[in-house]
Amino acid sequence: GQQLNQSPQSMFIQEGEDVSMNCTSSSIFNTWLWYKQDPGEGPVLLIALYKAGELTSNGRLTAQFGITRKDSFLNISASIPSDVGIYFCAGPNAGNMLTFGGGTRLMVKP
Amino acid sequence: DSGVTQTPKHLITATGQRVTLRCSPRSGDLSVYWYQQSLDQGLQFLIQYYNGEERAKGNILERFSAQQFPDLHSELNLSSLELGDSALYFCASSVTDGGYETQYFGPGTRLLVL
Repeated sequence: GQQLNQSPQSMFIQEGEDVSMNCTSSSIFNTWLWYKQDPGEGPVLLIALYKAGELTSNGRLTAQFGITRKDSFLNISASIPSDVGIYFCAGPNAGNMLTFGGGTRLMVKP
Repeated sequence: DSGVTQTPKHLITATGQRVTLRCSPRSGDLSVYWYQQSLDQGLQFLIQYYNGEERAKGNILERFSAQQFPDLHSELNLSSLELGDSALYFCASSVTDGGYETQYFGPGTRLLVL
C-alpha cells in the first residue's frame, strides 16, 4: 500500500527559529494535507494542497506540493512555544481514506 | 473545536471485554471515518461510512465492527479486546467543497486494555 515517509522524526529548536519538515511517497498523491496534533487532541488540518507545484501559506506556515506529486514540505517561520506538537502529512487514496506519515514531533525551547 | 464529538474520552477495560465508542459528526456531514492511533503503527484508517452504509474498509480487525445510524452518528465496537488494542481511536467527518473533501477529526477516545 501507499506509504508516507516523514522526516525528521523529531526536532528540538529554539523559539524564533524556522522549521522545515518534509514528506515523501513512493507513489503519486493528488492531494497533500498537513495536520497538527496537540497532546490529547485529534489532528487539526493546517494546510491542504491540491495542485503539483502549489505553494500555500497559512500565517507563519508555508507548504508546497512537489512537482513530482511524490513529496511535500512544511515550513514554520519564527517558531513560538505553541507550535509544539506532532505534525503529520497525509494523502488520500482513491476512496479518500487518508494515509498518514509517521509524524514530526516538534519541541520548542523558550 | 472541530465540531466532531466523541465519547467517552477515556476508557479502561480488561482483556476479553467488549466496548463501544461513539462519534457524532459535524452537522450536515454524511461521511464518518474511524482511525486508530497506536505508538507502533501510527495513525491508520479503519473504516468509513457514508449516509448509513459502509463505504470503505482499511486495516480493521474482524473483532472490530462499526455502524452508522439514521441520525448519522456512528459507533465503533471492539470485542475480545487484547492488550495491543490499547490506542487512541479517532473519528472524522468530512465535507466536500468545490470537489475537494476535507476531514475534520474529533478529540478521540483513549482506550486502555489491561
